[in-house]
Amino acid sequence: DGGITQSPKYLFRKEGQNVTLSCEQNLNHDAMYWYRQDPGQGLRLIYYSQIVNDFQKGDIAEGYSVSREKKESFPLTVTSAQKNPTAFYLCASSIGGRNTEAFFGQGTRLTVV
Amino acid sequence: AQSVTQLDSQVPVFEEAPVELRCNYSSSVSVYLFWYVQYPNQGLQLLLKYLSGSTLVESINGFEAEFNKSQTSFHLRKPSVHISDTAEYFCAVTPRGAGSYQLTFGKGTKLSVIP
Repeated sequence: DGGITQSPKYLFRKEGQNVTLSCEQNLNHDAMYWYRQDPGQGLRLIYYSQIVNDFQKGDIAEGYSVSREKKESFPLTVTSAQKNPTAFYLCASSIGGRNTEAFFGQGTRLTVV
Repeated sequence: AQSVTQLDSQVPVFEEAPVELRCNYSSSVSVYLFWYVQYPNQGLQLLLKYLSGSTLVESINGFEAEFNKSQTSFHLRKPSVHISDTAEYFCAVTPRGAGSYQLTFGKGTKLSVIP
């Protein structure tokens, strides 16, 4: 089955440590995205990538980094510079183009203690 | 820039009763409109979308939404809800002709269906 796989589903880290969240898709989509979800806040865009080896900052990129070395993969690193990293992180992808919908993974819940 | 306002953060409703989840948007350009549903601890799934044509769009599980350009609204309705409809619903917009990276989401409405 085609889809987006995020791993792990739950992640615990100590404050000050960097952590990398995995996102893999087998939909052959060009574009991939990372969102952060906090209760009552909706979804906020962290980074997006429209093609391999290219990515752009979203609305809340500070304290995060990404790479896009392969079309299928778009890992997100939450660095120690992120002031409040505890959140639910969602990865998404879309075909690209002008009016396509975004398909979402199941999310990773990151808790920093 | 676009903005989306979901007027109710929580909506409790009895099973088999009708429900309306309200969504208003603001944009200086024409937009595409979406409703997504999120079940607990899961990702978002597309429920329905308006791109062009008929202003009334329907989903396979009985939801419908109507695009009202003059009122800049895209309210979601279902005539009879089921327990399984309990979830959080997000309204989203993107400029017509733009990519999904320009999706702007509302803050969500939690629908609780009471048996």
